[in-house]
Amino acid sequence: EIRMTQFPSSLSASVGDKVTVSCRSSQTINNLVNWYQQKPGKPPTLLIYNSNTLESGVPSRFSGNASGTDFTLTISCLKPEDFATYFCQQGYSTYTFGQGTKVEL
Amino acid sequence: EVQLVESRGGLVQAGGSLRLSCSASGFYFGQYWMSWVRQAPGKGLEWVANIGQDGDDKNYADSVKGRFTISRDNARDLLYLHMKSLRVGDTAVYYCARDHIIASAGSDRWGQGTLVTVSS
Repeated sequence: EIRMTQFPSSLSASVGDKVTVSCRSSQTINNLVNWYQQKPGKPPTLLIYNSNTLESGVPSRFSGNASGTDFTLTISCLKPEDFATYFCQQGYSTYTFGQGTKVEL
Repeated sequence: EVQLVESRGGLVQAGGSLRLSCSASGFYFGQYWMSWVRQAPGKGLEWVANIGQDGDDKNYADSVKGRFTISRDNARDLLYLHMKSLRVGDTAVYYCARDHIIASAGSDRWGQGTLVTVSS
């Protein structure tokens, strides 16, 4: 089973900050990484798929990047509605999620 | 509008069984892979299983293989998860999710989730 190691587990940020969340896969996964946002008590929403493709309707301040087995989600200018937990997910062999990163004030 | 509505979960004793269903609407159900994803209280997401468009292709997480069975009824736009030999560690909110039309691109629509509690 492919493991996704996500870090940090939490981070503190302010409105307007640039924020980066990282994931590392346990093996090469052909950039097949997806990113989700989840707010308390709600289901996740898909932000980015295949490492860097923005899902329809997702603001352009969200972006994704890949380099080998390292993947990043960047929020260029944090808005109040972006305080949430973010998960990476590999789609190379079935699916596995990272442990999540809570972005808090 | 795409809607996914899970059946009510509930409380079950360890070793017991439970079947969840998910009613889909607002899209052509038979065209999409479908998944179940769970989230233990206060924990992260765990992908559980998915099923291909015609129901022949199925994949499971190692943690549920041999105990859970995913199935679908395309005539009634229903997705199922049959769970047996339940363990306390299976306690979670279970989400029904539509897989993206692009393979490996995750799940683009989710239900609100249903809580399954397994007691010892």
